[in-house]
Amino acid sequence: KNEVEQSPQNLTAQEGEFITINCSYSVGISALHWLQQHPGGGIVSLFMLSSGKKKHGRLIATINIQEKHSSLHITASHPRDSAVYICAPQRGGGSNYKLTFGKGTLLTVNP
Amino acid sequence: DGGITQSPKYLFRKEGQNVTLSCEQNLNHDAMYWYRQDPGQGLRLIYYSQIVNDFQKGDIAEGYSVSREKKESFPLTVTSAQKNPTAFYLCASSREEGWGNQPQHFGDGTRLSIL
Repeated sequence: KNEVEQSPQNLTAQEGEFITINCSYSVGISALHWLQQHPGGGIVSLFMLSSGKKKHGRLIATINIQEKHSSLHITASHPRDSAVYICAPQRGGGSNYKLTFGKGTLLTVNP
Repeated sequence: DGGITQSPKYLFRKEGQNVTLSCEQNLNHDAMYWYRQDPGQGLRLIYYSQIVNDFQKGDIAEGYSVSREKKESFPLTVTSAQKNPTAFYLCASSREEGWGNQPQHFGDGTRLSIL
């Protein structure tokens, strides 16, 4: 079993729809990252969270440490949100920590 | 604007050749990382460096080498020993303070192909 499972693998939505991408992981973590990879390949860090919920603009990330699950929500989706979204649980801390990356969810938002 | 610059964006290599991928950051970050991304797989860590003149192997270091002579620069050499070098390579950096409590900043990547 992979340490990190993202669902769905592919998601197509119409502009304005509410989007949810899920991430489940199998080991205890100290934090979890959500990343956005643009079509050209560059990656942007969206969120780093260890509990509860964080919000930035139309993006919301939640995490339930006990259930080993995190979700990324996009409200009022827009074609410019089309990208691959990657979940990366983090183990450890201090100078000894490790990220494990999910395979990503390809989101396509049609106008 | 501060950021991470990877060059070149596309790189072609003949079999048996070593190639070096450049990564430069002006974010004053102490830690730098190299990842490899293959289709349908998550990123995998090749090497990382927490401070100048020090670096550590990641999960898939075989066939790769790095140096960290300057804080701003962390070049990755793909040697001829790497049997399957075709991939997308991403460089990242992060601040030292609060190790593990800071997000990583990524470059735009270099796509390496074998001729």
